[in-house]
Amino acid sequence: DTGVSQNPRHKITKRGQNVTFRCDPISEHNRLYWYRQTLGQGPEFLTYFQNEAQLEKSRLLSDRFSAERPKGSFSTLEIQRTEQGDSAMYLCASRIGVNTEAFFGQGTRLTVV
Amino acid sequence: RKEVEQDPGPFNVPEGATVAFNCTYSNSASQSFFWYRQDCRKEPKLLMSVYSSGNEDGRFTAQLNRASQYISLLIRDSKLSDSATYLCVVTRTGNNFNKFYFGSGTKLNVKP
Repeated sequence: DTGVSQNPRHKITKRGQNVTFRCDPISEHNRLYWYRQTLGQGPEFLTYFQNEAQLEKSRLLSDRFSAERPKGSFSTLEIQRTEQGDSAMYLCASRIGVNTEAFFGQGTRLTVV
Repeated sequence: RKEVEQDPGPFNVPEGATVAFNCTYSNSASQSFFWYRQDCRKEPKLLMSVYSSGNEDGRFTAQLNRASQYISLLIRDSKLSDSATYLCVVTRTGNNFNKFYFGSGTKLNVKP
């Protein structure tokens, strides 16, 4: 499968715990995005990487959130001290070029209990 | 004001019907436009890009009106399998940013 891959697919965690998600984009795609989606809403932008550089972060991304893309390939999104409001689907997308379509991974569904 | 606005629906239509979705975007500097389809609890998948001249792919027709900042999607001869949420997507690029803006989605239910 040469699409965008996200792990884990599902994560249930207790409030206050840290969680980390991984995204493996399509190999030649230099642009990588993280989005968050809650029920009944469209995906909301969290952060954007071009190669290994994190060029933009949303104001939605509080200090508890951090993302990395150390070698310009896979990316990780960490949430520290999770809160119930963090429960959502976390989607990763990648693309090549400036105005091309983005391809999404299947997402990581986070439930904070 | 939201970057992209869509009628959330749901649109409940019988098989074979023609249905149209509309979307407006707020920033005239927006550059690329797409319709994505999202099935329940799945990731969004590209349905079609939207070009200024309008474009068609089988039963699907997309239109863009830059002057009115308006995008539409027309589905002819609806199938049960068309039931999904349709997301309007707009992109904008600057020196250090490159973002997709999503509408909240329009839900379509096609009934037998």
